[in-house]
Amino acid sequence: GAVVSQHPSRVICKSGTSVKIECRSLDFQATTMFWYRQFPKQSLMLMATSNEGSKATYEQGVEKDKFLINHASLTLSTLTVTSAHPEDSSFYICSAPLGGGNTGELFFGEGSRLTVL
Amino acid sequence: AQSVTQLDSQVPVFEEAPVELRCNYSSSVSVYLFWYVQYPNQGLQLLLKYLSGSTLVKGINGFEAEFNKSQTSFHLRKPSVHISDTAEYFCAVRATNTGGFKTIFGAGTRLFVKA
Repeated sequence: GAVVSQHPSRVICKSGTSVKIECRSLDFQATTMFWYRQFPKQSLMLMATSNEGSKATYEQGVEKDKFLINHASLTLSTLTVTSAHPEDSSFYICSAPLGGGNTGELFFGEGSRLTVL
Repeated sequence: AQSVTQLDSQVPVFEEAPVELRCNYSSSVSVYLFWYVQYPNQGLQLLLKYLSGSTLVKGINGFEAEFNKSQTSFHLRKPSVHISDTAEYFCAVRATNTGGFKTIFGAGTRLFVKA
């Protein structure tokens, strides 16, 4: 099946610093990618839709200046958590769709665990 | 708008026993339905999906689910579980008419298989 890869899988940073998480579709092109946030023992919360060559679409309540998304190529989307604080600590997961229309499958990255000290 | 309710947050079961993980959804439009599995510190993997046709859908690892439109349910079942099935399971819906992949997930059910 298709593969989506995230890097880094784990990152620890100091409060106030910025952290970049990469999401790559390894064997297919993805004009759209999705970024989710998952709190411990909870479901996935859609943060934003990343669109290749255009601005990301953010879900209500998600600060676009806090969570910068760039989708510069058909295989790479990045999420940058700017001026990170301990409350930003979470598991971030990206996904990319494969298949026509909206019936295709979403392939998920392995996730990136961010810990802000 | 769509919403998904997974009725059980945790389901403990002994190895080789059958299991059913319950999922109900609500939507003002027709939806596609999915079950995903998440192992610790990993992303999600698709188990099965219902798009149309037969209401009984078979997936990977011996799982199956049945779409019941009148009860707006999509329960996941496996006749005999293994220790390796211990994981978090998510039910999800996607509207059929949006043309996009926006997917709404349930809160998840933790399946714990005991020896």
